[in-house]
Amino acid sequence: DGGITQSPKYLFRKEGQNVTLSCEQNLNHDAMYWYRQDPGQGLRLIYYSQIVNDFQKGDIAEGYSVSREKKESFPLTVTSAQKNPTAFYLCASRRRAGGQDTGELFFGEGSRLTVL
Amino acid sequence: AQSVSQHNHHVILSEAASLELGCNYSYGGTVNLFWYVQYPGQHLQLLLKYFSGDPLVKGIKGFEAEFIKSKFSFNLRKPSVQWSDTAEYFCAVNLYNTDKLIFGTGTRLQVFP
Repeated sequence: DGGITQSPKYLFRKEGQNVTLSCEQNLNHDAMYWYRQDPGQGLRLIYYSQIVNDFQKGDIAEGYSVSREKKESFPLTVTSAQKNPTAFYLCASRRRAGGQDTGELFFGEGSRLTVL
Repeated sequence: AQSVSQHNHHVILSEAASLELGCNYSYGGTVNLFWYVQYPGQHLQLLLKYFSGDPLVKGIKGFEAEFIKSKFSFNLRKPSVQWSDTAEYFCAVNLYNTDKLIFGTGTRLQVFP
C-alpha cells in the first residue's frame, strides 16, 4: 500500500539529547513537510522540501534540522536547542505541479515526543 | 508573515443544527485553500479544496465552503450536522506556485445526539 510511514510512534528523551524522527513515503511525491501539532495551536510548519537536496524553513524552524538526501525520506532532528520539544510531530507529502497537482497533503500517523 | 485564523476554537451543536466555521487568511497574492478534518484517532484528511473557478466548492460528507476574495475568507458550512461530524477541522492556505502550506489553529466540533 502507498503511504507515509513515521517512526517511532512514541519517543522519550532526556533533556539535552538530540533525537531524529523518521519519515518515509512511497507515493513518489516531490514535496514533503514536517508539522508540529500542539493543543489549541493547530499545525505549525517546521520545515518543508520541494525536491531532493533542497528544503526551506517554516514558521518554527529554530531548534530543528532536516535533510532530504532521497526523494522518499525526510528525517527531522529535534536538537537540544529546541526549548519546548514535547509535542506531536506530523510528516506529510504532496505531489507537486509538473503533473496534475491535486494540492492534497497525505499525512503519516505522527510521532509523539516526550522530553523528560 | 502569512497567517490563517480560525476564530471558533470550540463549537458545540446538536444533531441537525447548521454549521459554519470561519477561516480568514492574510496574504495578498493568489492562494489555494483547503479544509482538512481529523476524526478522533485518525489521520488528517482532505475535506475540500479551492484552486480556481466557482468560489463555492463542495466536499465530502455534505460539506461546502465559499471563497470570498474580498474578505480573505473561506468559511466551511454544512446545513445539518450529524454526530459523526464530531472532529477537529483545520483550514489551510497554500501560497500559489509555492509549496508552503500553512494551517489555522483548528476548530473542535462536538455534535450531540
